[in-house]
Amino acid sequence: DAGITQSPRYKITETGRQVTLMCHQTWSHSYMFWYRQDLGHGLRLIYYSAAADITDKGEVPDGYVVSRSKTENFPLTLESATRSQTSVYFCASSESTYNEQFFGPGTRLTVL
Amino acid sequence: QKEVEQNSGPLSVPEGAIASLNCTYSDRVSQSFFWYRQYSGKSPELIMSIYSNGDKEDGRFTAQLNKASQYVSLLIRDSQPSDSATYLCAVSSGGGADGLTFGKGTHLIIQP
Repeated sequence: DAGITQSPRYKITETGRQVTLMCHQTWSHSYMFWYRQDLGHGLRLIYYSAAADITDKGEVPDGYVVSRSKTENFPLTLESATRSQTSVYFCASSESTYNEQFFGPGTRLTVL
Repeated sequence: QKEVEQNSGPLSVPEGAIASLNCTYSDRVSQSFFWYRQYSGKSPELIMSIYSNGDKEDGRFTAQLNKASQYVSLLIRDSQPSDSATYLCAVSSGGGADGLTFGKGTHLIIQP
């Protein structure tokens, strides 16, 4: 199916474990983004990518790592999960920085 | 620092009335403006985009842009209970690779 998908949709993990959230888009959009959404904070940008092998930090990058070896994939890794990283994570993509972003369905992550 | 401000609400509107949602932004070079709807537990969904001053209508939705006042609004005519959601305003500024700046959203409640 065309669009943007995320996996897993739900994840429970423990403090200190490494977790990878996957994002895949079929539009061949150049730009991809990772956000977290917490009550009272709205959407906060974690990392973004302008193309394969080009990534940069957003507003809240600490504790996260990204890679983008292929245009269609943009995984987000929590190297050592902390309780403060409990959140809903959204991946998004767009054709350009002036265009609308399309969001994936989200991953609800709980760190115990 | 690019900022997008919205009244968090909740904004309560009777069914069948017009709901008016407002947004102000700080970056004068902003060029693209978007409204997203987000139902509880779901991802943001694009409902309107606007790029030039004036009004843009799409069904029951009208987006209004005033760049001189740095103000964007969304009108929802004949409000339905299914319009109850959080509405996010998003602004693209200057083409930075980090894409859109989002407001924290206005929670809209349509009362039957």
